[in-house]
Amino acid sequence: KQEVTQIPAALSVPEGENLVLNCSFTDSAIYNLQWFRQDPGKGLTSLLLIQSSQREQTSGRLNASLDKSSGRSTLYIAASQPGDSATYLCAALSSGSARQLTFGSGTQLTVLP
Amino acid sequence: SQTIHQWPATLVQPVGSPLSLECTVEGTSNPNLYWYRQAAGRGLQLLFYSVGIGQISSEVPQNLSASRPQDRQFILSSKKLLLSDSGFYLCAWRSSYSGANVLTFGAGSRLTVL
Repeated sequence: KQEVTQIPAALSVPEGENLVLNCSFTDSAIYNLQWFRQDPGKGLTSLLLIQSSQREQTSGRLNASLDKSSGRSTLYIAASQPGDSATYLCAALSSGSARQLTFGSGTQLTVLP
Repeated sequence: SQTIHQWPATLVQPVGSPLSLECTVEGTSNPNLYWYRQAAGRGLQLLFYSVGIGQISSEVPQNLSASRPQDRQFILSSKKLLLSDSGFYLCAWRSSYSGANVLTFGAGSRLTVL
């Protein structure tokens, strides 16, 4: 059974700092890995999706990497802003027929102005 | 284009009362449908998924049930709510096409059981 872990659980940084969020998964038989953002009391916003055959994806100040062999993914946020404050979730899509998405428990990011 | 709708967005219910959360998808046919729950301080947990009408798979034993009376309708229910049922419930869909590997989520339904 897939297990996804995110470290750290919470992170507080000053504005302008570059930061890395970590995600690890136990079963490397995945179709893709996705990073989401969740604002308090809100639903999920998809940020980046990395297919299993890819090594990284970039969108603006965000860069996500995937190393299937080691079961790890990272989300790099450059030049952080207070508006980046949210909970960041990673999720691995299993290779089973139902394509289940297994989530980590998230990293709560606070960017201080 | 495809859209997913969930309602109600917010619900406050007393312990022991029934529950019905509804999710519908537009613009596609025969989607795979999912119910997730996010309890306070915990990650998103898959509760149920469905690959077709009347086909429901449960991932965790619980006080809840799911039904799929129509192709694009997925309902989460309970006969008697418990305090532990409080949480944020998210519905998601995925194309049944074998190469489709992206789940799209609804806006969520926040349930508070008092």
